[in-house]
Amino acid sequence: GQNIDQPTEMTATEGAIVQINCTYQTSGFNGLFWYQQHAGEAPTFLSYNVLDGLEEKGRFSSFLSRSKGYSYLLLKELQMKDSASYLCAVRGSDSNYQLIWGAGTKLIIKP
Amino acid sequence: EPEVTQTPSHQVTQMGQEVILRCVPISNHLYFYWYRQILGQKVEFLVSFYNNEISEKSEIFDDQFSVERPDGSNFTLKIRSTKLEDSAMYFCASSVQADWGYTFGSGTRLTVV
Repeated sequence: GQNIDQPTEMTATEGAIVQINCTYQTSGFNGLFWYQQHAGEAPTFLSYNVLDGLEEKGRFSSFLSRSKGYSYLLLKELQMKDSASYLCAVRGSDSNYQLIWGAGTKLIIKP
Repeated sequence: EPEVTQTPSHQVTQMGQEVILRCVPISNHLYFYWYRQILGQKVEFLVSFYNNEISEKSEIFDDQFSVERPDGSNFTLKIRSTKLEDSAMYFCASSVQADWGYTFGSGTRLTVV
């Protein structure tokens, strides 16, 4: 079957760095996405990885290792507004369109 | 910044009634999607739409569901006979290309009573 695993919840301190991991087992691989979702709101696109390595975008970076079926989202200089759920989603190679979603990691930022 | 707009933001309907959820994708986007999220659960893919036809659909998208692009701007999801388990947040999304990140609308919260 197809599965995406993320920690359920993480806590970090304002100004610190946090790494949210995602492992996946899917029918092939055709890209991995990270989205941010505040409670009651729509997911917001953060990053897209299709090749191995690190993609940096401001305070957020995303890493992919296809051989390990592993990705992480790195958030630096945490701000209180970063408190949200972070969703990992994968497109398998048997689909051009459908994303398979993880359950999300709820990130709690403390002062 | 361009947005995907959805209406209504919240709809309450009686079981067995038909509902139509409306979406206006970003104007230069070519790929359109419906996803749903039951409260506290994962986002689930329903259907994708490209070139005026369904390109892919999930097991959830049975014959009670249909999508339509009635004109050049709107993209609708119809549920013919709603069930209690259809209660969820329904998100419309669009993208320029199939392998790009989506832009999601703010969602319609459907409550079936």
